[in-house]
Amino acid sequence: DAGVIQSPRHEVTEMGQEVTLRCKPISGHNSLFWYRQTMMRGLELLIYFNNNVPIDDSGMPEDRFSAKMPNASFSTLKIQPSEPRDSAVYFCASSWTDSPLHFGNGTRLTVT
Amino acid sequence: KQEVTQIPAALSVPEGENLVLNCSFTDSAIYNLQWFRQDPGKGLTSLLLIQSSQREQTSGRLNASLDKSSGRSTLYIAASQPGDSATYLCAVQDGNEKLTFGTGTRLTIIP
Repeated sequence: DAGVIQSPRHEVTEMGQEVTLRCKPISGHNSLFWYRQTMMRGLELLIYFNNNVPIDDSGMPEDRFSAKMPNASFSTLKIQPSEPRDSAVYFCASSWTDSPLHFGNGTRLTVT
Repeated sequence: KQEVTQIPAALSVPEGENLVLNCSFTDSAIYNLQWFRQDPGKGLTSLLLIQSSQREQTSGRLNASLDKSSGRSTLYIAASQPGDSATYLCAVQDGNEKLTFGTGTRLTIIP
């Protein structure tokens, strides 16, 4: 099993540009989570999906952030327009009911 | 709102010693508690998962305990090794699958 796959690993962009982060969960997992990690705030849950349906997006900072899960094997997190304060490591994770969470290696986003 | 606290933020111990990492949470209505390790530049790796009905889980040199009523969990590492150096995070999951993470304990094992 290849695990949770995220792309890109690093993204550097200028303020105002659109950023799209991608995630392929582990096959068979029915839940997918997007987290953001910073030194100041630690790990924050942005949104999670169950069976491709968004369940809780209360952690999405503002309307500039959006997430989709068009099918069980793919999800995107989009930031438009990006701002310097969005700089962080963004993690995708997936799980099956009652099983541990499996994380990808993250996307390090830098907005200048 | 669930809050998860891990103290200390950093810990250094000589190789071979046994050690305990602490985690506390404010809302005892949890579904499970999970311990993870994170190596620099990497994602989180699951170590142990304790269901709310369980008291402890063991995997190799690791033992995690859960006292739901007091809102506490500990991760015990026996015979520590330099390869155990990492950041350890605990997380509690509510009935809606939402995981709330602590800020972690950065562990350094001194050879």
